[in-house]
Amino acid sequence: GQQVMQIPQYQHVQEGEDFTTYCNSSTTLSNIQWYKQRPGGHPVFLIQLVKSGEVKKQKRLTFQFGEAKKNSSLHITATQTTDVGTYFCAGTVDYGQNFVFGPGTRLSVLP
Amino acid sequence: DAGITQSPRHKVTETGTPVTLRCHQTENHRYMYWYRQDPGHGLRLIHYSYGVKDTDKGEVSDGYSVSRSKTEDFLLTLESATSSQTSVYFCAISRLAGGPGTGELFFGEGSRLTVL
Repeated sequence: GQQVMQIPQYQHVQEGEDFTTYCNSSTTLSNIQWYKQRPGGHPVFLIQLVKSGEVKKQKRLTFQFGEAKKNSSLHITATQTTDVGTYFCAGTVDYGQNFVFGPGTRLSVLP
Repeated sequence: DAGITQSPRHKVTETGTPVTLRCHQTENHRYMYWYRQDPGHGLRLIHYSYGVKDTDKGEVSDGYSVSRSKTEDFLLTLESATSSQTSVYFCAISRLAGGPGTGELFFGEGSRLTVL
């Protein structure tokens, strides 16, 4: 079945440093979404990418969807303590409504 | 806030007992989902529903059943709970904006289940 992997599993950064997490799918995706989950909280939708090669920005966050639509990345510039949490990617195939999640990357930001 | 309520929020039970988790939504969305979250596995889909009495299995459906008799309620039942079902369970709804590639998920607060 479809598998979605993320690396790294954990990342510790000093406040102000950049952070990147990568998402890779075993199959071609119709779209990919990113979610953030704060410790003890629930996942919260960040963004959705649909087009091959698409790049979207939200303030300090930059999201990319690969040309082959099998990988994606989330880059945070100049991390802040408010960025702490686990970042998940989730992909769908054939524009279905089943979202397969990656295992997540847990980000710690040291002040 | 997508108007999703999960109950109970916390439950401790013993192996072999039945457990039902409830997800209630107030916005009349068609798609509803049950996920479980475990360390190292992220969120794994148990079952989902695409309408009243229309449900289908996800990747980890063994040991779970669901029912949706009303649009607003999606129930997850563990007929005979096992320790491997100790997890945090999240309900989610999908707000379809129309067309392919839409449908961001909105999650409830989660239900933490411990099976002793």
